[in-house]
Amino acid sequence: ETGVTQTPRHLVMGMTNKKSLKCEQHLGHNAMYWYKQSAKKPLELMFVYNFKEQTENNSVPSRFSPECPNSSHLFLHLHTLQPEDSALYLCASSQLSGFQETQYFGPGTRLLVL
Amino acid sequence: AQKVTQAQTEISVVEKEDVTLDCVYETRDTTYYLFWYKQPPSGELVFLIRRNSFDEQNEISGRYSWNFQKSTSSFNFTITASQVVDSAVYFCALSELVRGGADGLTFGKGTHLIIQP
Repeated sequence: ETGVTQTPRHLVMGMTNKKSLKCEQHLGHNAMYWYKQSAKKPLELMFVYNFKEQTENNSVPSRFSPECPNSSHLFLHLHTLQPEDSALYLCASSQLSGFQETQYFGPGTRLLVL
Repeated sequence: AQKVTQAQTEISVVEKEDVTLDCVYETRDTTYYLFWYKQPPSGELVFLIRRNSFDEQNEISGRYSWNFQKSTSSFNFTITASQVVDSAVYFCALSELVRGGADGLTFGKGTHLIIQP
């Protein structure tokens, strides 16, 4: 595997389900991100992790719970979601340095909440 | 606060025409970074270019070129001799420098480029 991978690529869930999205980066980076892309809004940053530590939570509802066990893996745990949470969820990674390095994105998980 | 504006929601041109995608940004920082990404129908964001605020040189990469002008806070993207494979949504993004850490990107709404054969 190369680059940034995400599983599953598609997910349909009911509002009472619990599911998790997985992201794995094979680039040796140490920062990871979750973004949400919905039809009605531009790409929105959700969470930032530096060296496994969460450094930013962009006012995301608690029904989204991120987890970063190591620099290569990032999860997004989902529970009691709403239909408006249906969107494309994109994971990205970058290298930490004294500069803003390029973020490389995975293919995304397309989520539908019924 | 940061803001990126891509005023062109959709552009349609015939193959081999040149096309320019506009990007205007707002930031209070003197050090910042600008990016362009391409999103084909598959959904993955493909990195095209990164530019920091101290480097105003224009860049050319094959049929792609970028014009960065701080005086007008613009970072426009031109595709020369467009091809059908260039059809995608293109995003301009901005990030301010966060010393020692990583920062999320602020994206524009994207421009849907359609290249007709």
